[in-house]
Amino acid sequence: AQKVTQAQTEISVVEKEDVTLDCVYETRDTTYYLFWYKQPPSGELVFLIRRNSFDEQNEISGRYSWNFQKSTSSFNFTITASQVVDSAVYFCALSAPAAGNKLTFGGGTRVLVKP
Amino acid sequence: DTGVSQDPRHKITKRGQNVTFRCDPISEHNRLYWYRQTLGQGPEFLTYFQNEAQLEKSRLLSDRFSAERPKGSFSTLEIQRTEQGDSAMYLCASSFERDQPQHFGDGTRLSIL
Repeated sequence: AQKVTQAQTEISVVEKEDVTLDCVYETRDTTYYLFWYKQPPSGELVFLIRRNSFDEQNEISGRYSWNFQKSTSSFNFTITASQVVDSAVYFCALSAPAAGNKLTFGGGTRVLVKP
Repeated sequence: DTGVSQDPRHKITKRGQNVTFRCDPISEHNRLYWYRQTLGQGPEFLTYFQNEAQLEKSRLLSDRFSAERPKGSFSTLEIQRTEQGDSAMYLCASSFERDQPQHFGDGTRLSIL
């Protein structure tokens, strides 16, 4: 069985502060993928990043960065210099080819960036 | 390249009625997934298709639910004899191949009166 845990339900920051979202996962599969999706107030889920289980390199894309550590089964997400437009619910998710690549989502972390 | 399209965006119906939702995936995406999201929760998997074949159904999908993808293009999700607990956002996603990221539509929000 697969499980994704996002312990932080809500984080509130002031604009320009950095914010880190935690994600811990469980799986017995050796090949799997980890994802982050953003769900703004309008409701659509926006794909942000996918990492496979064999690639532990950290990744940076603009103000976004991701830290994947297999040793601790974590895939954390940092927004640097947050902006009001970053306000949304962020979901971490896991999939495995052996399980049809269906996504198992965490409960989400609501990020509120105040001006 | 248009995104995943879902129709309707909102559906309000009385308990006991049947409802049907439609999903049009991104062109040439052969995998199509349905998820359900209740308020304050992450989406939960319901079922998925590869082309026209339905390959897996979640235990969440009771016998009142049925999904089809008759020609491997659009898909429909039907709920018969709706219940209060069916109120949720129903999300559709598609991917080009098995290992590619899933792209989601805007969802259909179902409200049962």
